[in-house]
Amino acid sequence: EVQLVESGGGLVQPGASLKLSCVASGFTFSDYWMSWVRQTPGKTMEWIGDIKYDGSYTNYAPSLKNRFTISRDNAKSTLYLQMSNVRSEDTATYYCTRRLPGYNLGFAYWGQGTLVTVSS
Amino acid sequence: DIQMTQSPASLSASLEEIVTITCQPSQDIGNYLSWYQQKPGKSPQLLIHSATSLADGVPSRFSGSRSGTQYSLKINRLQVEDTGIYYCLQGYSAPPTFGGGTKLELK
Repeated sequence: EVQLVESGGGLVQPGASLKLSCVASGFTFSDYWMSWVRQTPGKTMEWIGDIKYDGSYTNYAPSLKNRFTISRDNAKSTLYLQMSNVRSEDTATYYCTRRLPGYNLGFAYWGQGTLVTVSS
Repeated sequence: DIQMTQSPASLSASLEEIVTITCQPSQDIGNYLSWYQQKPGKSPQLLIHSATSLADGVPSRFSGSRSGTQYSLKINRLQVEDTGIYYCLQGYSAPPTFGGGTKLELK
């Protein structure tokens, strides 16, 4: 059974940094592109970015690429999202997702999400 | 970015009713369209990919279709467990973009 378990969310002050983790199980992690997607309190969904199965390539939403960094450790089957200089508009639930084998086809599996609240 | 116009924003339907949700992209996306269901308090789940292909384990009362540039999700014989928010997503070009969501409730 595919499982994606996020952690690292919480209350953070504006301007701070935060690193989210996602531990994967139930599949060969190093075979798949992985992505982060977030959902605002108003339920708007936004793609954050992707990382290639071997970690050699990343792709980001243009509005986030200067502050967010995606990485992975295939030996630990773990995906990361480093968030820096966070803003109130970054308040959202952050989901780790595994893409379908066809890259453009969508997100086959989602974690349970981790809530990040940016507030002073 | 490709804009995905999803309608309706909310919908109230009766048990066993047929429900249709649509998405209209701002430009051609081929068949790179997927649909997701998010039940209350849960994470989204893939229902349909490639516009018409049912994801593994999804009940056959869900179906996806394309008519020209408009994409539809149809739920036949609505069940209690189908309440939630539904989203479309285009994967044709980066960045992938979601529709605004449709909140489906039982009447």
